[in-house]
Amino acid sequence: DADVTQTPRNRITKTGKRIMLECSQTKGHDRMYWYRQDPGLGLQLIYYSFDVKDINKGEISDGYSVSRQAQAKFSLSLESAIPNQTALYFCATSDPPPDTQYFGPGTRLTVL
Amino acid sequence: AQKITQTQPGMFVQEKEAVTLDCTYDTSDPSYGLFWYKQPSSGEMIFLIYQGSYDQQNATEGRYSLNFQKARKSANLVISASQLGDSAMYFCAMRGGTSGTYKYIFGTGTRLKVLA
Repeated sequence: DADVTQTPRNRITKTGKRIMLECSQTKGHDRMYWYRQDPGLGLQLIYYSFDVKDINKGEISDGYSVSRQAQAKFSLSLESAIPNQTALYFCATSDPPPDTQYFGPGTRLTVL
Repeated sequence: AQKITQTQPGMFVQEKEAVTLDCTYDTSDPSYGLFWYKQPSSGEMIFLIYQGSYDQQNATEGRYSLNFQKARKSANLVISASQLGDSAMYFCAMRGGTSGTYKYIFGTGTRLKVLA
């Protein structure tokens, strides 16, 4: 079984809808992250969490929120989806420094 | 401001040859980490190699090595004996922000195509 799983793997939704992307990990890491990748670009950090009680904004947090339900679970929500949030979303985990990122398989989100 | 620059959008290499993928970075943090990740056409992100800013020796992992030139702020990835399976996007990344807000930033990537 994969160490970092994401659900759903693909999602098509409409403008204005609320959507949640879920991430679970069995690596036992405290640190978890959400990134988005746009075509032709690298990854951008949306939110990160160093433990269950610690949530921090990344570079591009506007329009997103997160919830850390447990050490192993970290969810990303789009409160009111818009078309420019169409992207590939990755969840990742890491140990404390060096903070090598271990990624889930990604969720491809399309907002119509 | 912290920044990662990958100036090669695409590269070709003959199978069994070595190839160097360029990465330059900018940071004012005294301590930082540099990483390379591979993204095959299937989409997953795979960690390849890590170099710490205080490491004296260049990192190596099998056929991957990181040519770290701190004064030039470069962290180039060298792949020796290229294989067809090396065809993928390659991203350079930096962890920094130790003096304040945590940061983990990626370059825009280099697409490598290995030719038979």
